[in-house]
Amino acid sequence: AQSVTQLGSHVSVSEGALVLLRCNYSSSVPPYLFWYVQYPNQGLQLLLKYTSAATLVKGINGFEAEFKKSETSFHLTKPSAHMSDAAEYFCAVRGLGAQKLVFGQGTRLTINP
Amino acid sequence: NAGVTQTPKFQVLKTGQSMTLQCAQDMNHNSMYWYRQDPGMGLRLIYYSASEGTTDKGEVPNGYNVSRLNKREFSLRLESAAPSQTSVYFCASRTETSSYNEQFFGPGTRLTVL
Repeated sequence: AQSVTQLGSHVSVSEGALVLLRCNYSSSVPPYLFWYVQYPNQGLQLLLKYTSAATLVKGINGFEAEFKKSETSFHLTKPSAHMSDAAEYFCAVRGLGAQKLVFGQGTRLTINP
Repeated sequence: NAGVTQTPKFQVLKTGQSMTLQCAQDMNHNSMYWYRQDPGMGLRLIYYSASEGTTDKGEVPNGYNVSRLNKREFSLRLESAAPSQTSVYFCASRTETSSYNEQFFGPGTRLTVL
């Protein structure tokens, strides 16, 4: 069964600093990969998804993620953090032919002024 | 397009009471899902429906029932609520026109069981 590990339940960075949120999946066959963001008291919104067209995927709000098959990773980055990036971020995977989406436990991002 | 809508937004129940959470989508999606979100556990799938008339259990189905009323609507019922069911519940939908398609989420229902 697919599983997803997000390293770090809480990440804190200064405004303007690099944001790096880590996600590793367990699969020998590359699954379908997604990053979602959840702002306080809201539902989940898609940030970006891997579509096999390119290993570096660009999403909304300046975020991007790089698919590394050799490391089974799909880490999320943003070069310069903004206060509005404070939220919870979820990595999710769906296996080939599967209906179900499996979520990581989430990483809460805090931005310090 | 309203996307995925959920009612109610908040609910407080006493142990043993029953209630139904409603979900509707206007995107003509075939698949619909119910998740619960608990601190530190991400989202866990309760039930899903791949198409109208079909439902399947997810990771945590115990204590819940679902109904896929039509293509638009997918409801979640708690027959006898327990404090362990205190959670935030999200409904989602997806279309299978591409394997890369994402799920779209509703705003959630915050449920407290006393």
